[in-house]
This record gives sequence, C-alpha cells and structure tokens, in this order.
Amino acid sequence: KQEVTQIPAALSVPEGENLVLNCSFTDSAIYNLQWFRQDPGKGLTSLLLIQSSQREQTSGRLNASLDKSSGRSTLYIAASQPGDSATYLCAALNAGGTSYGKLTFGQGTILTVHP
Amino acid sequence: NAGVTQTPKFRILKIGQSMTLQCTQDMNHNYMYWYRQDPGMGLKLIYYSVGAGITDKGEVPNGYNVSRSTTEDFPLRLELAAPSQTSVYFCASAVGGAKNIQYFGAGTRLSVL
Repeated sequence: KQEVTQIPAALSVPEGENLVLNCSFTDSAIYNLQWFRQDPGKGLTSLLLIQSSQREQTSGRLNASLDKSSGRSTLYIAASQPGDSATYLCAALNAGGTSYGKLTFGQGTILTVHP
Repeated sequence: NAGVTQTPKFRILKIGQSMTLQCTQDMNHNYMYWYRQDPGMGLKLIYYSVGAGITDKGEVPNGYNVSRSTTEDFPLRLELAAPSQTSVYFCASAVGGAKNIQYFGAGTRLSVL
C-alpha cells in the first residue's frame, strides 16, 4: 500500500528566502507525482505534475523534482513571498496494486512566509 | 468559469441524520472523485466514478453512497451520520484517463454532533 509522507509539517520563513519542501513515497510504481496548493477554507489547486519518466518540472518560481528510485520529490520555491503562504500537498498517482489509478496524498506542509 | 461546484459549503448534522453533498462540474470530465480531509491529514478517497453509471469504492467508503446518473453530477450520500464523519469533503474531476490533473471544488465542511 502506497504511503506518502511530507516533511516538515510546518515551515515559517522570512520573505525572500528560498525554500524546499520534501515528499517521500513508499511504492515507486507511480504514473506521476503532483504538487497542490491549498489556501485556508479552499479547495486544492494543482501546481506542478511530474510524469514518472521526468526528473523535474518548472513553473515560474516553483521547481519540482522527482527521484523514483529513492521515492522522493521536492518542491523548491525561489524568493518566497507572503502570498506563497498556504498548505502544500504532494500526491502520487499509483500505477500498481489496489490503489491503481488513484491519488495517495501526503498530509501537507503548512508554509508561512512573513514580511 | 464555474469548474467544480460543491453545495452546501457548511452543514451541521445530528447523529443519525442523513444528507446529500452535491457536486457538479461543467468541464465535461469523465472522471469524478470524492475525498475527505481530516485536520492535519491528507485527502483520502471515498468513492470515484469513471463515467456516467459507473462508480467504485475508494479507501474509506463505509457509511457513504454515490450515484452517477449524468456526466455533470456526482452526489455523495451520508446515511445515519456519525461523529466520525465530521470532516471536510472535496469533490474533484479529471478530463479522462487516470494520468490527468484533478480539479477540485471548494469543499463542504460537515460537523456531526
């Protein structure tokens, strides 16, 4: 059974700092790894999707990497801004077992960027 | 653009009551999903559907039922509500094929007292 873990659970940084959020997964049989953003009281917004054959994806100040062999993904945020404050979730789209075709989510990292 | 719309946004139920959480999408997506999110936790899949008339259980289906009579709508039914069903419920849809990005509604916050 796939398990996804995110570290740290919470992170507080000053504005302008570069930061890394970590995501690990136990089963490397995945189609892709997705990063979502969740604002308080809102739904999830997709940020980046990395296919299993890819190593990284970039969108603006965000860069996500994937290492299937080690079961890890990272989300790098450059020059953080207060508007980046939110909960960031990673999710693995499973390619095998009883979770085939379903997303398994981590518990999220709560990011606070203070001015 | 409406996207995925969930109603109601908030609801308080008494133990043993029943209710239906509504979800509709206007993107003509075949795939639809229901998740629940407990405090400090990730999302867990309750039920999903790959098209009208086709539904299947996810990770935590007990106490819930779904139907998919149209492409647009995917209601979630709670029978005999229990305090353990206090959670935030999210509906999502995807264009087709398990590899595509899921689009989420804003959620329904449910308390069972």
